[in-house]
Amino acid sequence: QSVLTQPPSVSGAPGQRVTISCTGSSSNIGAGYHIHWYQQLPGTAPKLLIFGNTNRPSGVPDRFSGSKSGTSASLAITGLQAEDEADYYCQSYDSSLSAYVFGAGTKVTVL
Amino acid sequence: EEQLLESGGGLVQPGGSLRLSCAASGFSFGGYAMTWVRQAPGKGLEWVSLISTSGSSTFYATSVKGRFTISRDNSKDTLYLQMTTLRAEDTAVYYCASAYGVLPHYYHFDYWGQGTLVAVSS
Repeated sequence: QSVLTQPPSVSGAPGQRVTISCTGSSSNIGAGYHIHWYQQLPGTAPKLLIFGNTNRPSGVPDRFSGSKSGTSASLAITGLQAEDEADYYCQSYDSSLSAYVFGAGTKVTVL
Repeated sequence: EEQLLESGGGLVQPGGSLRLSCAASGFSFGGYAMTWVRQAPGKGLEWVSLISTSGSSTFYATSVKGRFTISRDNSKDTLYLQMTTLRAEDTAVYYCASAYGVLPHYYHFDYWGQGTLVAVSS
């Protein structure tokens, strides 16, 4: 059971906007620790997508955006493309566990 | 180009030991904390361990504390994970990654290796 809760799956048609939620608690997101997002394409290593709640590394399209409010965070993908089919994970730090924590992951399907 | 290359995975019997290595190139290895993250077959990502830039501070997930030891050799740009008393539930692809952030509790993992598979089975 992950301390960061993500929906198992989301789907959308090409061009649509989808959002992935990441719900935590007062010992992680609510404590002010940053949320980071990773994309894992099938059969490959994870790739950093968003860091520090809202920042994109160089090379990540601006179709990807992150936000955070209270004990939750969200990843939005606008203009959904077939190449966006992947698993997406949120990550933060949990002070109760003294550990870095990941959500269980969300599979994005492009219809 | 930043690269991380893991090695040392393989099949090991329960109770056995294994040492993973992660060779870094293309970035200032000594300037980054480093971490190991694992992924069991068909499952999500699980943080395993993290080491500070100098190697003086180390941190472990509860599931591996006392069994795994993380270390680094900045002169060789290499990260290690010594795994002992291995269990079936340690079976996973092990990724090394660089860790960066304004403070340790804010670390994100930016450069990732391709992973090495550790299978624990009799």
